[in-house]
Amino acid sequence: DVKVTQSSRYLVKRTGEKVFLECVQDMDHENMFWYRQDPGLGLRLIYFSYDVKMKEKGDIPEGYSVSREKKERFSLILESASTNQTSMYLCASSGQSLNTEAFFGQGTRLTVV
Amino acid sequence: DAKTTQPNSMESNEEEPVHLPCNHSTISGTDYIHWYRQLPSQGPEYVIHGLTSNVNNRMASLAIAEDRKSSTLILHRATLRDAAVYYCILRVTGNQFYFGTGTSLTVIP
Repeated sequence: DVKVTQSSRYLVKRTGEKVFLECVQDMDHENMFWYRQDPGLGLRLIYFSYDVKMKEKGDIPEGYSVSREKKERFSLILESASTNQTSMYLCASSGQSLNTEAFFGQGTRLTVV
Repeated sequence: DAKTTQPNSMESNEEEPVHLPCNHSTISGTDYIHWYRQLPSQGPEYVIHGLTSNVNNRMASLAIAEDRKSSTLILHRATLRDAAVYYCILRVTGNQFYFGTGTSLTVIP
């Protein structure tokens, strides 16, 4: 069974902390994605990666960075967490072909206090 | 940016067919149309996708307009477990998936 695993379901962090959200996939997918989901706004793309050490900004990259040192792992980093980054974060992976689907993790609900 | 437009919400009676519409007027020739759904407290899950021809799988059917500027996801017999937010997405060159805000489907027993 294919899997995208996010390291935490729930996280509570303090304003100003550095936060790492980890995502691992076991499907040997080239592409990995980070989204945030907020009520009324749907899913918005933060960053994606199409290969190891490669990254592209999505629609809302400000305040975030990413790291992809290994093919199976894609990390989202909040350098200095702020309350407006309280959200549900979703990781996904997919193959290279446009004719393939994406697989999502269960999400991490991050609360910044 | 590639964008899709969907109604915010729809209702259906249980065991009746549901037609969920999507407009994607800016679609280009190589963009695939994908549909995902998201159950409460879960990540989105894949439903179906297509390029030009209509597609069927065990979950649903996808009807794509001839000009590809719109599509319809068809659930043949809605069940209570089909209550979810349904997202119509374009997968574009550059490998991005563009999500809209989706359609919240309520299934009435």
